[in-house]
Amino acid sequence: EVQLVESGGGLVEPGGSLRLSCAASGFTVSNAFMGWVRQAPGKGLEWVGRIKSKTGGGTADYAASVKGKFTISRDDSKNTLYLQMVSLEAEDTAIYYCTTYPLEGGYYFKYWGQGTLVTVTS
Amino acid sequence: QSVLTQPPSVSAAPGQKVSISCSGSSSNIANNHVSWYQQLPGTAPKLLIYENNKRPSGIPDRLSGSKSGTSATLGITGLQTGDEADYYCGTWDSSLSAWVFGGGTKLTVL
Repeated sequence: EVQLVESGGGLVEPGGSLRLSCAASGFTVSNAFMGWVRQAPGKGLEWVGRIKSKTGGGTADYAASVKGKFTISRDDSKNTLYLQMVSLEAEDTAIYYCTTYPLEGGYYFKYWGQGTLVTVTS
Repeated sequence: QSVLTQPPSVSAAPGQKVSISCSGSSSNIANNHVSWYQQLPGTAPKLLIYENNKRPSGIPDRLSGSKSGTSATLGITGLQTGDEADYYCGTWDSSLSAWVFGGGTKLTVL
């Protein structure tokens, strides 16, 4: 059974940094396209970015709103996905969800974690 | 302002049918598969429909998806109170090189 468990959220001051983790089980992260989606309080879903599988090239793509500020990476030995966030602003306050694309191929979000809340405030 | 346009809200009575539209353009819906997600209050989104009209295992056949040109539609028949949720469409936008979501539609079962 696929499970995604996010951690690392919390309170951070504007300009600060935070790293979110997404521990995966039931599959190997290096074999999957994975990504992050966020949801600001009371707002809709916003794609943050994705990282391709190892065989897919392993590169990452980002939304324009976070490019240059956020970095997606993974640690295959820990089967964990990360989202490194720097220069955080109030607008980055949101629940951050870890997602996977289907292992069998396809471009949609098949599995979701429960989310971790990031609050940027002074 | 979302790239994909959804009605903010729809409503219908229990047992009735509802359709939720998702309007895009040639750079997204017209040339890429659409997926739909349900978000119950206080929970993570859940995949309902993928590749325009396919249902994952466990999703009942009273939910359906369709696509025509630059628009997609989610249909739900036999509405239940448990269907009250926010629904989002999504697809890849080839011009933006980014995934895009609709603004979401709140379904109320009266």
